[in-house]
Amino acid sequence: EVQLVESGGGLVQPGGSLRLSCAASGFTFTTYWMSWVRQAPGKGLEWVANINQDGSEKYYVDSVKGRFTISRDNAKSSLFLQMNSLRVEDTAIYYCARARGVDHWGQGTLVTVSS
Amino acid sequence: DIQMTQSPSSLSASVGDRVTITCRASQGITNYLAWYQQKPGKVPKLLVYAASTLRPGVPSRFSGSGSGTDFTLTISSLQPEDVATYYCQKYNSAPYSFGQGTKLEIK
Repeated sequence: EVQLVESGGGLVQPGGSLRLSCAASGFTFTTYWMSWVRQAPGKGLEWVANINQDGSEKYYVDSVKGRFTISRDNAKSSLFLQMNSLRVEDTAIYYCARARGVDHWGQGTLVTVSS
Repeated sequence: DIQMTQSPSSLSASVGDRVTITCRASQGITNYLAWYQQKPGKVPKLLVYAASTLRPGVPSRFSGSGSGTDFTLTISSLQPEDVATYYCQKYNSAPYSFGQGTKLEIK
């Protein structure tokens, strides 16, 4: 069974940093693109970033470029999202997701940016 | 960047109705289009990928069609459990944008 388990969310002040992690299991992690998708409270889905199988290709939505960094550790079947210079508008549930056309989603981790 | 526009933004229909949701891309994306269902308080779920391929386990009343710039998600006979918000997403190239969502309610 495919499982994606996020961690690392929480409350942070504007300008602060957080590192999200996603532990993957139940599939061959090294054969899939991985993505982060977020959903602000009461809003729609927003693709944030994704990374190819070996980490050589990374793509970001314009609003996070230069602030967020996606990475992966294939030896540990883990996906990460380093979030710096956080803004109030980054407040959202962040989902770890398998593939670009997402076929499996984690349960999400809530990031709240507030003073 | 290619924009994804869904319509309508909300929809109310009766049980048994045929329901159609449209997603339009501002440029061609061949068939790199997915549809998701998100029930209130739940994680999104993939329904259709490659524009028209139903994910295994998804009820056959759901279907997807289209290619290029115009796509549709159809529910042939609406059921109470279909109350949800539906999203399309392009996945041919970055940015992998979602549509703004269509909230479906039972009349």
